[in-house]
Amino acid sequence: EVQLMESGGGLVQPGGSLRLSCAASGFTVSSKYMIWVRQAPGKGLEWVSVIYSGGSTYYADSVRGRFTISRDNSMNTMYLQMNSLRAEDTAVYYCARMGSAGPFDVWGRGTMVTVSS
Amino acid sequence: DIQMTQSPSSLSASVGDRVTITCRASQGINNYLAWYQQKPGRVPKLLISAASTLQSGVPSRFSGSGSGTDFTLTISSLQSEDVATYYCQKYNSGPYTFGQGTKLEIK
Repeated sequence: EVQLMESGGGLVQPGGSLRLSCAASGFTVSSKYMIWVRQAPGKGLEWVSVIYSGGSTYYADSVRGRFTISRDNSMNTMYLQMNSLRAEDTAVYYCARMGSAGPFDVWGRGTMVTVSS
Repeated sequence: DIQMTQSPSSLSASVGDRVTITCRASQGINNYLAWYQQKPGRVPKLLISAASTLQSGVPSRFSGSGSGTDFTLTISSLQSEDVATYYCQKYNSGPYTFGQGTKLEIK
């Protein structure tokens, strides 16, 4: 069965760092475009970052320079390193897979990140 | 960057009604448009890809249309289980922008 499972969320102070993980099963992360999406409390979906199958990356303007997406092919896991966190980064962070047809066809259950002093 | 604008932002309709949600891209995206459904407290679910291709298992009362800049999601006969927020999204290239969402409620 194709699944994604996020971990690593929690409470962090402004300016702090956190690393999220997204473990995949049923497919190989290196063969797909892999995505992070976030949703602030009571708000809509915001695309955050993508790592393409070739390894190149792309970020939303709101996180560029602070967040880094990566993957470990041996662990079949994707990561999101989040530095210089701000209150406005508080959200549920979902990882997702871009299917062969393009859109996000498989989603994890999400992990909550709270940035607060 | 291309902006995605949905309307309305919220909608209340009766069971059995025909419901239409629109999504407009600020530039043409061909048919690289997806619709997602997010029920309260749940993970988003892909409903439609390529503007009009229904995903496996999605009820046939859902349909999508459009190309270029203007798209619609239609529910032909609203059911109580369709209460959710619906999002459109462009996926032709990054950034993979979502619309702001349309919250659908039962009247």
